[in-house]
Amino acid sequence: AQTVTQSQPEMSVQEAETVTLSCTYDTSENNYYLFWYKQPPSRQMILVIRQEAYKQQNATENRFSVNFQKAAKSFSLKISDSQLGDTAMYFCALSRNSGNTPLVFGKGTRLSVIA
Amino acid sequence: DAGVIQSPRHEVTEMGQEVTLRCKLISGHNSLFWYRQTMMRGLELLIYFNNNVPIDDSGMPEDRFSAKMPNASFSTLKIQPSEPRDSAVYFCASSSNIWGNTEAFFGQGTRLTVV
Repeated sequence: AQTVTQSQPEMSVQEAETVTLSCTYDTSENNYYLFWYKQPPSRQMILVIRQEAYKQQNATENRFSVNFQKAAKSFSLKISDSQLGDTAMYFCALSRNSGNTPLVFGKGTRLSVIA
Repeated sequence: DAGVIQSPRHEVTEMGQEVTLRCKLISGHNSLFWYRQTMMRGLELLIYFNNNVPIDDSGMPEDRFSAKMPNASFSTLKIQPSEPRDSAVYFCASSSNIWGNTEAFFGQGTRLTVV
């Protein structure tokens, strides 16, 4: 069975500062994908960033980057230069090795960016 | 493409009534996922289809829940009879089977309230 754990139910950060959201996971698969999704108050699920487990290089998308530690089964999200629009729920998720398998989600971290 | 389209966005119904949630996939996608989001349980998979075939329905909570794909671009999730504990946000998501395409695109969800 695959599991995803987010140990921080809530976090806050000052605008323009950097924040890191934690995620650990467990899987017996050799190939898998990890994701961070953002859910603003509109409730739309928006993909922020994804990481293929076979790639050693950490993924980066503009102000968002990940720290992928495969041996430790850790996948944290770093948001740099936080903006008010980053306020949302953030979900870490895991799927097996192709696009036709479902996501397993963590319980989420509620991030508040404070002006 | 307009993305994954769910209807209705909001549904309020009385206990015991039948509820049908609808989902239109992105054109060309052939995997379809139904998720349920609650405060207590977070985001959990109910059922998913590949090429119109149900692959895993182990997340469907009870026989009161059923899901179909009458064609390649459309799916329904039916609850009959509905109960107050079914109140949740229901998401559908679609993705492609093309290797390397691992992103699931989510609809905006249906908020169901059973009174």
